[in-house]
Amino acid sequence: AQSVTQPDIHITVSEGASLELRCNYSYGATPYLFWYVQSPGQGLQLLLKYFSGDTLVQGIKGFEAEFKRSQSSFNLRKPSVHWSDAAEYFCAVGGDTDKLIFGTGTRLQVFP
Amino acid sequence: EPEVTQTPSHQVTQMGQEVILRCVPISNHLYFYWYRQILGQKVEFLVSFYNNEISEKSEIFDDQFSVERPDGSNFTLKIRSTKLEDSAMYFCASSNQGSRSNQPQHFGDGTRLSIL
Repeated sequence: AQSVTQPDIHITVSEGASLELRCNYSYGATPYLFWYVQSPGQGLQLLLKYFSGDTLVQGIKGFEAEFKRSQSSFNLRKPSVHWSDAAEYFCAVGGDTDKLIFGTGTRLQVFP
Repeated sequence: EPEVTQTPSHQVTQMGQEVILRCVPISNHLYFYWYRQILGQKVEFLVSFYNNEISEKSEIFDDQFSVERPDGSNFTLKIRSTKLEDSAMYFCASSNQGSRSNQPQHFGDGTRLSIL
């Protein structure tokens, strides 16, 4: 079955600390992978995407993610978190159909 | 930067009534999508639309739902005879190629639908 798992429902970090949000996927075809961010009351903003090639992809706002096929993972990282990064983060997979399959999201809280 | 716009931001409707959610996709995009997110749950795909017809739909998208591109700019989702369980955030998205290509979907801010 096609699915996305984000094992961490809620993560709290201090401002300036590093961040890694986990994402594992199960997909029968070659996956296209995405991270979206949702601030309160806002829509889903695309942070970054992986289609092929270099397995380390750079996105907006200083985020990066690494595709590891052997682990079926696409973890999101940021070396130094800012208070404005507090939001909900969604990993999604697509590729051989029109639909994106989303994970349940990880809520990030940032303390000063 | 061009964006997907959705109206209204919040819609309150009595159970059994019809509701139309409106979206203006990014102007040069050809593929359109609706998703929904019930409070506390995952974002779920409803339907995709290309060349004036449904391209793909989920099992959620039953006869109660319909989509339309009534003119060159709007894309609408109609829910007939709404039920309490239709209460959710509904997101519209668009892309300039299908999701089988390497083009991402761009999302609007959503319409929160509350059924009383």
